[in-house]
Amino acid sequence: DAKTTQPPSMDCAEGRAANLPCNHSTISGNEYVYWYRQIHSQGPQYIIHGLKNNETNEMASLIITEDRKSSTLILPHATLRDTAVYYCIVRVATGGAGNMLTFGGGTRLMVKP
Amino acid sequence: GAGVSQSPRYKVAKRGQDVALRCDPISGHVSLFWYQQALGQGPEFLTYFQNEAQLDKSGLPSDRFFAERPEGSVSTLKIQRTQQEDSAVYLCASSLGGTGTLNTEAFFGQGTRLTVV
Repeated sequence: DAKTTQPPSMDCAEGRAANLPCNHSTISGNEYVYWYRQIHSQGPQYIIHGLKNNETNEMASLIITEDRKSSTLILPHATLRDTAVYYCIVRVATGGAGNMLTFGGGTRLMVKP
Repeated sequence: GAGVSQSPRYKVAKRGQDVALRCDPISGHVSLFWYQQALGQGPEFLTYFQNEAQLDKSGLPSDRFFAERPEGSVSTLKIQRTQQEDSAVYLCASSLGGTGTLNTEAFFGQGTRLTVV
């Protein structure tokens, strides 16, 4: 699976949008971009994933550049409960052992009042 | 319950002791994964089951680590003769589909924090 690069930490004011960047310049054509987050003392939680089109769900939006070499996770109105480590992962989407996730260091997002 | 359940939540073991960590995946989930997370690091893959078959154990750090899922549901990760470097959070995850299934999201348990003293 391709490697990703994320800033180690970011701050965001409560109520503002949090924009978390991820570089994945070696992504292959059949690899998806996945985002998970891990709140303190909990297991990772799936947020969103996409191939090349922008995606939105009830938690977040995912913007993928046209060349697919980078993406941005957007939390439109960050709350204190969004404080967590956010992991950007690229991988093939087939099931089985291919569903194994390779976590990097992630971005530690601190939402401040 | 609706989610992945792991027990115990916390385990303190003396060096050299054997431990067994349990994972109850979401009912009906075919795939089950174990990860190890050291303090301040991201989770690292240990092993993968599809139903009762262990298809990938490439991440197990030594032959002291053993995992099983005999009936294709509950799984146990066993660590023999624990060492201090085994101290970590052990996470279990399950997903609905198996090999060839597209885009199956992984659901994680809260993990078991193992401390070897």
